[in-house]
Amino acid sequence: EAGVAQSPRYKIIEKRQSVAFWCNPISGHATLYWYQQILGQGPKLLIQFQNNGVVDDSQLPKDRFSAERLKGVDSTLKIQPAKLEDSAVYLCASSSGQQDEQYFGPGTRLTVT
Amino acid sequence: QKEVEQNSGPLSVPEGAIASLNCTYSDRGSQSFFWYRQYSGKSPELIMSIYSNGDKEDGRFTAQLNKASQYVSLLIRDSQPSDSATYLCAVNKGGTGGFKTIFGAGTRLFVKA
Repeated sequence: EAGVAQSPRYKIIEKRQSVAFWCNPISGHATLYWYQQILGQGPKLLIQFQNNGVVDDSQLPKDRFSAERLKGVDSTLKIQPAKLEDSAVYLCASSSGQQDEQYFGPGTRLTVT
Repeated sequence: QKEVEQNSGPLSVPEGAIASLNCTYSDRGSQSFFWYRQYSGKSPELIMSIYSNGDKEDGRFTAQLNKASQYVSLLIRDSQPSDSATYLCAVNKGGTGGFKTIFGAGTRLFVKA
């Protein structure tokens, strides 16, 4: 069974530029998560989807971050415009249901200069 | 008070010893609990899940849950240098929109050969 796929793996941009990340969850997983992980910290949930609906986006900086999950499968996370403090690893995870084990993709390391 | 608390470590144990990792959580309504291992530069990988009070064993790993004390732990028996990593505790709790997972900051474990 294929795992969670993410792209790109690395991205370097200048502040005020925009960037987009893509995630393809494990087949059949209804719940998809985007996390931000800053070095030395645990993953912080940005947004959680159940199929193509948003369950939680309370920690998503909505003035600059947006996410969508069209057709309840793939998802994209966008940052526009980026700030220096957005430098982090962005992790996508999926699970069968909201109370089930989550499986993580390899992550995208973003550096904002 | 953080929702999920872990000692940051590092916890250093000799090879072959038992490593004990602890986690406390603040929401009494939390229902499912997970331990993830994260190697440096990699994404978290699931070790164990536990849903009811008591112990759950899987190979060298034992998870322990005490909901009354709001405490969950992970024991690693016969620790190996390859167990050196950051261990993340994750707690799943219900909310108005659905269930949400909160991660602790992680405990760094170092197993000395």
